[in-house]
Amino acid sequence: GEDVEQSLFLSVREGDSSVINCTYTDSSSTYLYWYKQEPGAGLQLLTYIFSNMDMKQDQRLTVLLNKKDKHLSLRIADTQTGDSAIYFCAETKGGKLIFGQGTELSVKP
Amino acid sequence: GAVVSQHPSWVICKSGTSVKIECRSLDFQATTMFWYRQFPKQSLMLMATSNEGSKATYEQGVEKDKFLINHASLTLSTLTVTSAHPEDSSFYICSATEPTGNSGETQYFGPGTRLLVL
Repeated sequence: GEDVEQSLFLSVREGDSSVINCTYTDSSSTYLYWYKQEPGAGLQLLTYIFSNMDMKQDQRLTVLLNKKDKHLSLRIADTQTGDSAIYFCAETKGGKLIFGQGTELSVKP
Repeated sequence: GAVVSQHPSWVICKSGTSVKIECRSLDFQATTMFWYRQFPKQSLMLMATSNEGSKATYEQGVEKDKFLINHASLTLSTLTVTSAHPEDSSFYICSATEPTGNSGETQYFGPGTRLLVL
């Protein structure tokens, strides 16, 4: 199977919280990342978390890491229409980034 | 900080011609740059890892003679698609790692180059 797995779609209403989930396989990954990709654009680094942390909060973004279950999540509070994009989680393996398939977040007004 | 640019942003070429894509780190020196390819509605596929002053390391299944990579300086890497064919049409994205900082080897991505081969 895939090294990193994400659900493909998530739809929320504007103002609600969005939670995007990711599972990874390499327990030796030092850092885990969340990237955002808008249509026709490159990837924008949203946030990252060091593997010895359980949680990291940055304004509207909260990252939770469950290292035992190799589960990573990204919570976006007060989701806005501008948050509509594809979100990729990524683990590091051998100096390379291994991406999930991406979760397409659709925010409805 | 950590801005990466790509040029051109899009290119249309005839089958059989070669196309060069530039990737630049604008405000930092990047010892390592990566080249990815992305098909519509899919994730990024790593093509090769480029280290300044040395030969690129290609991923399995990527033809090194087809996709020439040159990393001549700490701020510039180029990808040349030689003898392009319609199946080479894709979105090509580069990234660069900043060698210092608290985020390990975080990769910063360029805006991508869309290639269409007719």
